[in-house]
Amino acid sequence: DAKTTQPPSMDCAEGRAANLPCNHSTISGNEYVYWYRQIHSQGPQYIIHGLKNNETNEMASLIITEDRKSSTLILPHATLRDTAVYYCIVKNYGQNFVFGPGTRLSVLP
Amino acid sequence: DAGVIQSPRHEVTEMGQEVTLRCKPISGHNSLFWYRQTMMRGLELLIYFNNNVPIDDSGMPEDRFSAKMPNASFSTLKIQPSEPRDSAVYFCASSPGTSGRVEDTQYFGPGTRLTVL
Repeated sequence: DAKTTQPPSMDCAEGRAANLPCNHSTISGNEYVYWYRQIHSQGPQYIIHGLKNNETNEMASLIITEDRKSSTLILPHATLRDTAVYYCIVKNYGQNFVFGPGTRLSVLP
Repeated sequence: DAGVIQSPRHEVTEMGQEVTLRCKPISGHNSLFWYRQTMMRGLELLIYFNNNVPIDDSGMPEDRFSAKMPNASFSTLKIQPSEPRDSAVYFCASSPGTSGRVEDTQYFGPGTRLTVL
């Protein structure tokens, strides 16, 4: 009963923007979109989250479509250190995080 | 600021032995979570605590697993007796608020890689 769908893998050239898509067509009105990433052999790292509006922080930008059925995580200038598995998670406050397989992003030199 | 601290980082033990994993959450955080990650099953929630009280342990695989949180700054996950299929990376995470509040973001520790021979 996965709530999100992500491509299994993506490549991005170093220095270019990495755009990671996520489909969540069954999202409900109170559910937030969270993004985490997991660099090899490390714990998952929080990146960003949002409800309806686009969000930006020092790590990334989150673009949520108007119907909220999909979103895109943007890393504006990808570096080799951004190579990781990126997880898109939809949840309401109080619900547990459910991690799917995510997208394996490879940043290439 | 120190993040979530876990120890040991690596543990190798033999089948049948008791294993204790330790976690120190971020100071001031009210919720603590234990996860297990394997190649086959991905990242799974085992149990979580709110204000040191276990709230949901439905993810604990069987009675061999137990978790405690004696105070706000320390938690343990114990496996007794351990089996080879318990080999995995175990993560601890903490979050600032209790469930349903804005401060729901979880912050993960570096994990403990457990190998049971």
